[in-house]
Amino acid sequence: DADVTQTPRNRITKTGKRIMLECSQTKGHDRMYWYRQDPGLGLRLIYYSFDVKDINKGEISDGYSVSRQAQAKFSLSLESAIPNQTALYFCATSDAAGTRNTGELFFGEGSRLTVL
Amino acid sequence: QKEVEQDPGPLSVPEGAIVSLNCTYSNSAFQYFMWYRQYSRKGPELLMYTYSSGNKEDGRFTAQVDKSSKYISLFIRDSQPSDSATYLCAIYRAGNTGKLIFGQGTTLQVKP
Repeated sequence: DADVTQTPRNRITKTGKRIMLECSQTKGHDRMYWYRQDPGLGLRLIYYSFDVKDINKGEISDGYSVSRQAQAKFSLSLESAIPNQTALYFCATSDAAGTRNTGELFFGEGSRLTVL
Repeated sequence: QKEVEQDPGPLSVPEGAIVSLNCTYSNSAFQYFMWYRQYSRKGPELLMYTYSSGNKEDGRFTAQVDKSSKYISLFIRDSQPSDSATYLCAIYRAGNTGKLIFGQGTTLQVKP
Protein backbone atom coordinates (compact mmCIF):
# COMPACT_ATOMS: atom_id res chain seq x y z
CA ASP A 1 0.00 0.00 0.00
CA ALA A 2 1.12 3.54 -0.74
CA ASP A 3 2.38 5.62 2.18
CA VAL A 4 0.38 8.65 1.01
CA THR A 5 -3.01 7.80 -0.47
CA GLN A 6 -5.25 10.22 -2.33
CA THR A 7 -8.88 9.71 -3.25
CA PRO A 8 -10.36 10.04 -5.76
CA ARG A 9 -7.62 9.65 -8.38
CA ASN A 10 -9.82 11.16 -11.07
CA ARG A 11 -12.92 13.30 -10.84
CA ILE A 12 -15.01 15.16 -13.38
CA THR A 13 -17.50 17.64 -12.03
CA LYS A 14 -19.54 20.65 -13.05
CA THR A 15 -19.16 24.31 -12.23
CA GLY A 16 -20.65 25.18 -8.85
CA LYS A 17 -20.41 21.72 -7.33
CA ARG A 18 -18.70 21.07 -4.01
CA ILE A 19 -15.74 18.73 -4.23
CA MET A 20 -13.62 17.09 -1.56
CA LEU A 21 -10.25 15.49 -2.15
CA GLU A 22 -8.99 13.27 0.62
CA CYS A 23 -5.51 12.35 1.72
CA SER A 24 -4.35 9.82 4.26
CA GLN A 25 -0.82 8.83 5.24
CA THR A 26 0.85 6.00 7.10
CA LYS A 27 4.27 7.64 7.40
CA GLY A 28 3.59 9.10 10.84
CA HIS A 29 4.58 12.58 9.69
CA ASP A 30 3.22 15.66 11.39
CA ARG A 31 3.31 17.96 8.38
CA MET A 32 0.86 17.68 5.49
CA TYR A 33 0.43 19.78 2.38
CA TRP A 34 -1.84 20.28 -0.61
CA TYR A 35 -0.27 21.35 -3.90
CA ARG A 36 -1.73 22.09 -7.29
CA GLN A 37 0.17 21.34 -10.51
CA ASP A 38 -0.53 23.05 -13.81
CA PRO A 39 1.53 22.78 -17.01
CA GLY A 40 4.28 25.39 -17.07
CA LEU A 41 3.55 26.55 -13.52
CA GLY A 42 5.08 23.75 -11.49
CA LEU A 43 3.77 22.89 -8.04
CA ARG A 44 2.01 25.65 -6.13
CA LEU A 45 1.16 25.38 -2.45
CA ILE A 46 -2.53 25.69 -1.55
CA TYR A 47 -2.59 24.93 2.20
CA TYR A 48 -0.33 23.28 4.72
CA SER A 49 -0.64 21.95 8.24
CA PHE A 50 2.18 21.36 10.69
CA ASP A 51 -0.01 19.52 13.17
CA VAL A 52 -3.69 18.78 13.83
CA LYS A 53 -4.39 22.23 15.30
CA ASP A 54 -2.33 24.16 12.78
CA ILE A 55 -3.65 25.22 9.35
CA ASN A 56 -1.90 27.75 7.11
CA LYS A 57 -2.66 29.29 3.76
CA GLY A 58 -0.25 28.80 0.93
CA GLU A 59 0.25 30.99 -2.12
CA ILE A 60 -3.04 30.11 -3.87
CA SER A 61 -5.62 29.39 -1.16
CA ASP A 62 -8.53 31.41 -2.58
CA GLY A 63 -11.45 29.15 -3.49
CA TYR A 64 -10.14 26.27 -1.36
CA SER A 65 -10.51 25.13 2.24
CA VAL A 66 -8.95 22.29 4.21
CA SER A 67 -9.61 20.14 7.23
CA ARG A 68 -7.05 18.22 9.28
CA GLN A 69 -9.22 15.52 10.79
CA ALA A 70 -6.36 13.62 12.39
CA GLN A 71 -2.60 13.44 12.18
CA ALA A 72 -2.96 11.06 9.27
CA LYS A 73 -5.78 12.76 7.36
CA PHE A 74 -5.89 16.06 5.49
CA SER A 75 -8.71 16.91 3.10
CA LEU A 76 -9.04 19.67 0.51
CA SER A 77 -12.42 21.14 -0.41
CA LEU A 78 -13.57 23.25 -3.31
CA GLU A 79 -16.81 24.82 -2.07
CA SER A 80 -17.99 25.88 -5.51
CA ALA A 81 -15.78 24.50 -8.25
CA ILE A 82 -14.91 26.62 -11.28
CA PRO A 83 -13.21 25.60 -14.55
CA ASN A 84 -9.86 27.24 -13.73
CA GLN A 85 -9.56 24.85 -10.80
CA THR A 86 -9.06 22.07 -13.31
CA ALA A 87 -5.64 20.71 -12.37
CA LEU A 88 -3.67 17.88 -10.87
CA TYR A 89 -3.71 18.02 -7.08
CA PHE A 90 -1.08 16.48 -4.86
CA CYS A 91 -1.04 15.76 -1.16
CA ALA A 92 2.36 15.53 0.50
CA THR A 93 3.85 14.90 3.92
CA SER A 94 7.12 15.76 5.61
CA ASP A 95 8.87 14.97 8.84
CA ALA A 96 9.87 18.01 10.85
CA ALA A 97 11.98 15.99 13.23
CA GLY A 98 14.77 13.58 12.55
CA THR A 99 18.38 13.89 11.63
CA ARG A 100 17.74 15.01 8.12
CA ASN A 101 15.29 17.86 8.29
CA THR A 102 15.77 18.94 4.74
CA GLY A 103 12.12 19.56 4.12
CA GLU A 104 11.86 16.48 1.89
CA LEU A 105 8.29 15.91 0.79
CA PHE A 106 6.63 12.56 0.17
CA PHE A 107 3.86 12.82 -2.40
CA GLY A 108 0.72 10.89 -3.15
CA GLU A 109 -0.01 9.85 -6.72
CA GLY A 110 -2.27 12.80 -7.39
CA SER A 111 -5.94 13.55 -7.98
CA ARG A 112 -6.86 14.79 -11.42
CA LEU A 113 -9.82 17.14 -11.23
CA THR A 114 -11.72 18.41 -14.25
CA VAL A 115 -14.34 21.12 -13.79
CA LEU A 116 -16.67 21.53 -16.75
CA GLN B 1 10.32 37.90 -9.53
CA LYS B 2 9.67 34.25 -8.75
CA GLU B 3 11.80 32.77 -5.98
CA VAL B 4 12.83 29.88 -8.21
CA GLU B 5 13.08 29.96 -11.99
CA GLN B 6 13.61 26.83 -14.02
CA ASP B 7 14.64 26.66 -17.64
CA PRO B 8 11.62 25.83 -19.74
CA GLY B 9 11.43 22.56 -21.64
CA PRO B 10 10.62 20.33 -23.09
CA LEU B 11 13.96 18.71 -23.79
CA SER B 12 14.37 15.84 -26.22
CA VAL B 13 17.73 14.06 -26.43
CA PRO B 14 19.04 10.81 -27.92
CA GLU B 15 19.92 7.94 -25.64
CA GLY B 16 23.43 8.29 -24.24
CA ALA B 17 23.45 12.09 -24.31
CA ILE B 18 24.49 14.27 -21.39
CA VAL B 19 21.56 16.27 -20.06
CA SER B 20 21.82 19.56 -18.18
CA LEU B 21 18.87 20.92 -16.21
CA ASN B 22 19.13 24.31 -14.51
CA CYS B 23 17.44 26.61 -12.01
CA THR B 24 18.13 29.98 -10.50
CA TYR B 25 16.87 31.31 -7.18
CA SER B 26 16.64 34.74 -5.70
CA ASN B 27 16.96 34.42 -1.90
CA SER B 28 20.39 33.64 -0.47
CA ALA B 29 18.78 32.40 2.79
CA PHE B 30 17.79 29.12 1.21
CA GLN B 31 19.79 26.23 2.57
CA TYR B 32 18.73 23.00 0.89
CA PHE B 33 18.54 22.35 -2.81
CA MET B 34 16.70 19.40 -4.25
CA TRP B 35 15.79 17.74 -7.48
CA TYR B 36 12.55 15.80 -7.76
CA ARG B 37 11.70 13.43 -10.59
CA GLN B 38 8.11 12.92 -11.65
CA TYR B 39 7.07 10.14 -13.97
CA SER B 40 3.85 10.45 -15.94
CA ARG B 41 0.76 9.94 -13.77
CA LYS B 42 2.86 9.74 -10.61
CA GLY B 43 3.76 12.05 -7.75
CA PRO B 44 7.22 13.65 -7.60
CA GLU B 45 9.94 11.72 -5.79
CA LEU B 46 13.15 13.09 -4.36
CA LEU B 47 16.09 12.34 -6.64
CA MET B 48 18.91 14.26 -4.99
CA TYR B 49 19.50 16.95 -2.41
CA THR B 50 22.47 19.10 -1.56
CA TYR B 51 23.26 21.48 1.24
CA SER B 52 26.44 23.25 0.26
CA SER B 53 28.01 24.66 -2.84
CA GLY B 54 29.78 22.15 -5.03
CA ASN B 55 28.95 18.85 -6.64
CA LYS B 56 27.21 15.74 -5.37
CA GLU B 57 27.21 12.56 -7.41
CA ASP B 58 24.87 9.59 -7.34
CA GLY B 59 25.48 7.16 -10.14
CA ARG B 60 24.77 8.87 -13.44
CA PHE B 61 23.36 11.95 -11.71
CA THR B 62 25.30 14.98 -10.49
CA ALA B 63 23.74 17.86 -8.58
CA GLN B 64 25.66 21.10 -8.61
CA VAL B 65 25.09 24.21 -6.49
CA ASP B 66 26.72 27.60 -6.92
CA LYS B 67 25.52 29.75 -4.01
CA SER B 68 27.46 32.79 -5.17
CA SER B 69 25.50 32.82 -8.43
CA LYS B 70 22.31 31.35 -6.92
CA TYR B 71 22.37 28.67 -9.60
CA ILE B 72 21.64 24.95 -9.31
CA SER B 73 22.05 22.26 -11.93
CA LEU B 74 21.36 18.58 -12.46
CA PHE B 75 23.48 16.64 -14.93
CA ILE B 76 22.51 13.23 -16.24
CA ARG B 77 25.26 11.21 -17.90
CA ASP B 78 24.59 8.43 -20.41
CA SER B 79 20.88 9.26 -20.41
CA GLN B 80 18.44 6.37 -20.76
CA PRO B 81 14.85 6.19 -21.98
CA SER B 82 13.90 5.41 -18.37
CA ASP B 83 15.11 8.91 -17.45
CA SER B 84 12.19 10.37 -19.42
CA ALA B 85 10.24 12.33 -16.83
CA THR B 86 9.61 15.83 -15.52
CA TYR B 87 12.39 17.17 -13.30
CA LEU B 88 11.59 19.81 -10.71
CA CYS B 89 14.13 21.79 -8.75
CA ALA B 90 13.15 22.78 -5.22
CA ILE B 91 14.68 24.93 -2.53
CA TYR B 92 14.12 25.00 1.20
CA ARG B 93 14.91 27.11 4.22
CA ALA B 94 14.74 25.16 7.45
CA GLY B 95 12.76 26.45 10.41
CA ASN B 96 9.24 26.43 11.73
CA THR B 97 7.85 28.20 8.71
CA GLY B 98 10.09 26.49 6.19
CA LYS B 99 8.33 25.45 3.02
CA LEU B 100 9.60 23.86 -0.13
CA ILE B 101 9.48 26.11 -3.18
CA PHE B 102 9.42 24.46 -6.59
CA GLY B 103 10.56 25.51 -10.01
CA GLN B 104 8.22 25.14 -12.96
CA GLY B 105 9.63 21.79 -14.03
CA THR B 106 11.37 20.60 -17.20
CA THR B 107 10.01 17.65 -19.15
CA LEU B 108 12.75 15.42 -20.53
CA GLN B 109 12.35 12.81 -23.23
CA VAL B 110 15.22 10.44 -23.98
CA LYS B 111 14.75 8.75 -27.33
CA PRO B 112 16.16 5.25 -27.92
